[in-house]
Amino acid sequence: ETGVTQSPTHLIKTRGQQVTLRCSSQSGHNTVSWYQQALGQGPQFIFQYYREEENGRGNFPPRFSGLQFPNYSSELNVNALELDDSALYLCASSLSPGELFFGEGSRLTVL
Amino acid sequence: AQTVTQSQPEMSVQEAETVTLSCTYDTSENNYYLFWYKQPPSRQMILVIRQEAYKQQNATENRFSVNFQKAAKSFSLKISDSQLGDTAMYFCAFQPYTNAGKSTFGDGTTLTVKP
Repeated sequence: ETGVTQSPTHLIKTRGQQVTLRCSSQSGHNTVSWYQQALGQGPQFIFQYYREEENGRGNFPPRFSGLQFPNYSSELNVNALELDDSALYLCASSLSPGELFFGEGSRLTVL
Repeated sequence: AQTVTQSQPEMSVQEAETVTLSCTYDTSENNYYLFWYKQPPSRQMILVIRQEAYKQQNATENRFSVNFQKAAKSFSLKISDSQLGDTAMYFCAFQPYTNAGKSTFGDGTTLTVKP
């Protein structure tokens, strides 16, 4: 059974740039959620995808967008990067209500 | 909207001792899950223990157990026989039955186990 994998693990961008983060869900999991974790804080829900449709969104602006593909992998896109977007971005997959299975995260630094 | 509060930013415990981490939450939902997740330094977050709100019996997983008080909206984690490998950040999380992926997390408690 393959776990949740994320890429890249680390990246540095400058203000105003765009970034794409990728996530492969755990085998068989059809729901993918993205979370932003600022340093020293708990993860904040960005949005969730279920069977390629956005199915719930947290308090994040439209410049945060995503996709889910037929194989249930997912992308998180952030446009017009701001300094406050610097954080660890976590992808989590699940099959049904219950436990989230997390990847190791992508650490984004915006300069 | 749900909120989760962890009032202890940092805690420490001696190896082999017992420690309790606190968590309170607020919700109008009746059916939900509560979780404790562990995030070791620079490693991925993993589930420690979960509790379903309709179950009155407190969940137990080896050295980890919870004290779930639904009316008080309290969900504490007890770690018995603490080990050095328990050093990590611990997050309490709430998830409604109606939304599989949307969990609300507290800000975490950093636990250090001292030899």
